[in-house]
Amino acid sequence: DAGVTQSPTHLIKTRGQQVTLRCSPKSGHDTVSWYQQALGQGPQFIFQYYEEEERQRGNFPDRFSGHQFPNYSSELNVNALLLGDSALYLCASSLKVGYGEKLLFGSGTQLSVL
Amino acid sequence: QQQVKQSPQSLIVQKGGISIINCAYENTAFDYFPWYQQFPGKGPALLIAIRPDVSEKKEGRFTISFNKSAKQFSLHIMDSQPGDSATYFCAASQHGSSNTGKLIFGQGTTLQVKP
Repeated sequence: DAGVTQSPTHLIKTRGQQVTLRCSPKSGHDTVSWYQQALGQGPQFIFQYYEEEERQRGNFPDRFSGHQFPNYSSELNVNALLLGDSALYLCASSLKVGYGEKLLFGSGTQLSVL
Repeated sequence: QQQVKQSPQSLIVQKGGISIINCAYENTAFDYFPWYQQFPGKGPALLIAIRPDVSEKKEGRFTISFNKSAKQFSLHIMDSQPGDSATYFCAASQHGSSNTGKLIFGQGTTLQVKP
């Protein structure tokens, strides 16, 4: 079992550009959550997708959007990139039952905005 | 009220020693408290977790102590090993299907275990 797979692993963009990050959840998981982890900080919740709909959202602007496909994979889109968007973007998959302990994180996509 | 405060920011321990990391929260609705371990270049991995109906949980060398009245919880790593050198995050979440997956993380503690 490959667990949670994220692509690409690294990405370099310039300010104002748009970026799409991808995530394949662990087999059997139906819920995908996205987190942003700035250097030296803990992960911050961006949003969560279940049944192809955004179910919860953290304190992030509308420039951050996402999508979940019928096979449960997910994309994170960020428009009008800012220097401050440089971070490790983590995808976590889970079954939409119970507590957050079912979260399984991928290794992340390191985004650098120049 | 959504914050989780973690200390210390960094910790150096000798091999075989005890590593202790502390966290405090404000939101009394939190009812699930996990600890995550993160190695460089990897995502966080669940280490151990506790619910507020117990005061302590032990799994191998890792123990969580929970003080509900003080709104604090801590991670103890017994017999610390160089392989335990990593960044540790405490987190908290609130029960309810609508909150599944929404963890509030602390700022992290970088642990170095010296041989």
